[in-house]
Formats: sequence, structure tokens, C-alpha cells
Amino acid sequence: EPEVTQTPSHQVTQMGQEVILRCVPISNHLYFYWYRQILGQKVEFLVSFYNNEISEKSEIFDDQFSVERPDGSNFTLKIRSTKLEDSAMYFCASSGAGGGGYNEQFFGPGTRLTVL
Amino acid sequence: LAKTTQPISMDSYEGQEVNITCSHNNIATNDYITWYQQFPSQGPRFIIQGYKTKVTNEVASLFIPADRKSSTLSLPRVSLSDTAVYYCLAVYNQGGKLIFGQGTELSVKP
Repeated sequence: EPEVTQTPSHQVTQMGQEVILRCVPISNHLYFYWYRQILGQKVEFLVSFYNNEISEKSEIFDDQFSVERPDGSNFTLKIRSTKLEDSAMYFCASSGAGGGGYNEQFFGPGTRLTVL
Repeated sequence: LAKTTQPISMDSYEGQEVNITCSHNNIATNDYITWYQQFPSQGPRFIIQGYKTKVTNEVASLFIPADRKSSTLSLPRVSLSDTAVYYCLAVYNQGGKLIFGQGTELSVKP
């Protein structure tokens, strides 16, 4: 069964450093998403991406964040200068035709980001 | 203000039916309501999706009234393995943002 994969599983970084979280969505999917989940809290939408551009983003997704699909398989989330409050689990998801809430999103296992 | 609201927690016993209701005001008129299940240290997993009235699959049913301001996930005959957090997800007209509810932690006891 196809699945979304994410690397690394755990990233530890110093405050102010840049991090890149990587995701490989399911190969024939067209819509890609990043979510954040702070420990003990709900899943929060960050950004959705379609046709090589951002389609929606939340208030959390400020200028410190960027996303990219550098090739045909990877989808990355970059945080330019990490803050302590960026510590969270970051989930990547992808869906087939029909973005937003139209289609089942398949989630990866997450990357736990710890900012010291 | 777009908001998706669910009860924080629920308790149940094995074999019972569990109903979890989510309120979603200002939901986009053409968009679906989706429910996800999340186990600790895992990503959310799709359960069911619907637009209106009733949808049923092999694991759950979803009831959506005509005004679409709420939805109810129904889990028939829960087992211990259904202990998890359940999220509803709705899309709102304001920019098409995806907003998860705060999650309902379901605890199934023997």
C-alpha cells in the first residue's frame, strides 16, 4: 500500500538555525500539505500546495516558513530561523484529485522537531 | 470566526456505540466534512467523509443535518483498539483554510 514518508523522524536544532523537513508524498497525488502538532495539542493546518504553488496558508505560516517541491517526488518545509515555540511534530500529507477538504488526505508518520 | 468544536474527551465500554459530535459554523457550502483518527506518535488516519445526510462505511457512520453546522461520527460496538483521538476537519469559506477540531480523546474500557 502506498504511503507518505517523512525524514528525519526526529530533528534537534539550536534556536536560530534553519531546518528543512522532508516528505515524499504518494506518487500520483497532486495536493500536498503540512500540519503542525504541538505536544498535547490539536493538529494545526500550516499550508497546502498544488501545481507548484501555495494554494492556502494559515496565520501560523509566516515569513519564517517556506515550502518547495524541488523535484518530482520530494516536498519540503523550511523554517528559516527556528524559535523555541517551533518545537512540535510536523506532519506532511497528500491527497489525490480534489484538494482542500474534498479528498482523503494520507498523512506521514511525522517529524518531531526539538528546538533548544 | 471559523471554529471547529468537539468535546475534549469521552469514555465508553467495549461493545457500546459511541457518537462524537462536532460543531463547524460558517462551513464552506460545497466542501466536505472529514473525520480522522489519531493514535499516539502517529499521523492522523482517515475514517470517513461526507457532505450531507448520512454516510456509512465499514468502520463508521457520519450524520450531517441539513444545515451542515454540525456532524456526528458514530462508531458501532467499539473495542479497546478504538481508544484514540478523533478529529473532525472542515473547510471554511475564509480562504479555504482547513481547520481541525481540537480532537476528542476516546477512552474505551473493558
